[in-house]
Amino acid sequence: QVQLQESGPGLVKPSETLSLTCSVSGDSISNDDYVWSWIRQPPGKGLEWIGYIVDNGNSRNNPSLGSRVILSLDKANNQVSLELTSLTAADTAVYYCARDSLYYHGDTVSLLAFDIWGQGTMVTVSS
Amino acid sequence: IVMTQTPLSLSVTPGQPASISCKSSQSLLYSDGKTYLYWYVQKSGYPPQPLIYEVSNRYSGVPDRFRGSGSGTDFTLKISRVEAEDVGTYYCMQTRQLRTFGPGTKVDVK
Repeated sequence: QVQLQESGPGLVKPSETLSLTCSVSGDSISNDDYVWSWIRQPPGKGLEWIGYIVDNGNSRNNPSLGSRVILSLDKANNQVSLELTSLTAADTAVYYCARDSLYYHGDTVSLLAFDIWGQGTMVTVSS
Repeated sequence: IVMTQTPLSLSVTPGQPASISCKSSQSLLYSDGKTYLYWYVQKSGYPPQPLIYEVSNRYSGVPDRFRGSGSGTDFTLKISRVEAEDVGTYYCMQTRQLRTFGPGTKVDVK
């Protein structure tokens, strides 16, 4: 079955750039029926969508994060990457990657948003 | 699109029903005729799990005691008979324009 695993530094300093990787096993990220997202959750708070990227490399970000977010695909290693620049303490959170898939049934297609999630990785921004 | 949920917390006796409301600031109906409203549950220490897609369809493996309904900007998740394992925080989310989660509704059992 498909599994997602996030990895990255647990501690980063303010003003630095966070780099996280989501390693996908059990399927190819190059499948154009998939969309790959990053979502985060500050301690004790709710979920915030960060952005998504599709097979051709096109991506969209949460407007609240603006140009701080860079998403990319590493097809050779079957990984999805997130870079978040200009970190502050407010970026401290558990970071999740998640997949959307398209479900074809009859003559219709449904979007199964976030049908698979990684376990998440905790990132603390502190000097 | 801003998502709101009510109530923000809910305590339910096992075996009794529960209902969570979710409202969006704009209609989630898209030109393809589908409405892009989803429900997830997050149990303590775990990532969220999908429950409902496109308002009323259960993801694979989701028990039929979970039922989603609604249209336009008003949606509801109902649990017909709450079980102890249903404890967690329930989130609605829209994909009509990018993605936005609601604030979450924390459900516990009495």
